[in-house]
Amino acid sequence: QSALTQPRSVSGSPGQSVTISCTGTSSDVGGYNFVSWYQQHPGKAPKLMIYEVTKRPSGVPDRFSGSKSGNTASLTISGLQAEDEADYYCCSYTGSYSLVFGGGTKLTVL
Amino acid sequence: EVQLVESGGGLVKPGGSLRLSCAASGFIFSNVWMSWVRQAPGKGLEWVGRIYIKSDGGATDYAAPVKGRFTISTDDSKNTLYLQMNSLKIEDTAVYYCTTYSAGSCQHWGQGTLVTVSS
Repeated sequence: QSALTQPRSVSGSPGQSVTISCTGTSSDVGGYNFVSWYQQHPGKAPKLMIYEVTKRPSGVPDRFSGSKSGNTASLTISGLQAEDEADYYCCSYTGSYSLVFGGGTKLTVL
Repeated sequence: EVQLVESGGGLVKPGGSLRLSCAASGFIFSNVWMSWVRQAPGKGLEWVGRIYIKSDGGATDYAAPVKGRFTISTDDSKNTLYLQMNSLKIEDTAVYYCTTYSAGSCQHWGQGTLVTVSS
């Protein structure tokens, strides 16, 4: 199972919005509504930010939103804040009872 | 509050074995699917495998790179998840995280334990 495709890096200024894409295939992202997104600060464990494409766990700010169109899922962060600077990973369920992650995107807040 | 605490990492030679543990608290362990995810130094996340709860059959699924070498199990009496790793390879070097698993996502994560495979 190949990793999902994410841009290596994105950047934005405080207050702006950024969108991170995650491209898979009809066997993963396009085939199931089980896409999740994780935030990871340096030296820390990942944190779930979005699950089932659009849902936010309790405690995650509503500045974080998820969507999907075809084989591509997206994470949008609006009203960027300095603490949003981190690595972000997408993840999808696949048809073979497994999960596949994206390669990760480094978000820089300018 | 959900807490997951991994242990058992360390240095092991290629071909060797290691067993990781993950002590869980703050939730009913026997009712929650669990998984392992790893991260090689400076690299991205990689799903390792998952175990269903016993009332769902207790089945396990594994990623292709570890299938046949790694075994996931649980001890519900100890609220502990295990990862038995055999025939270790240099490319298995990574931080190993245990997570709760639901709706196709890894919801709660431990702090991770580092496994280094080197001669």
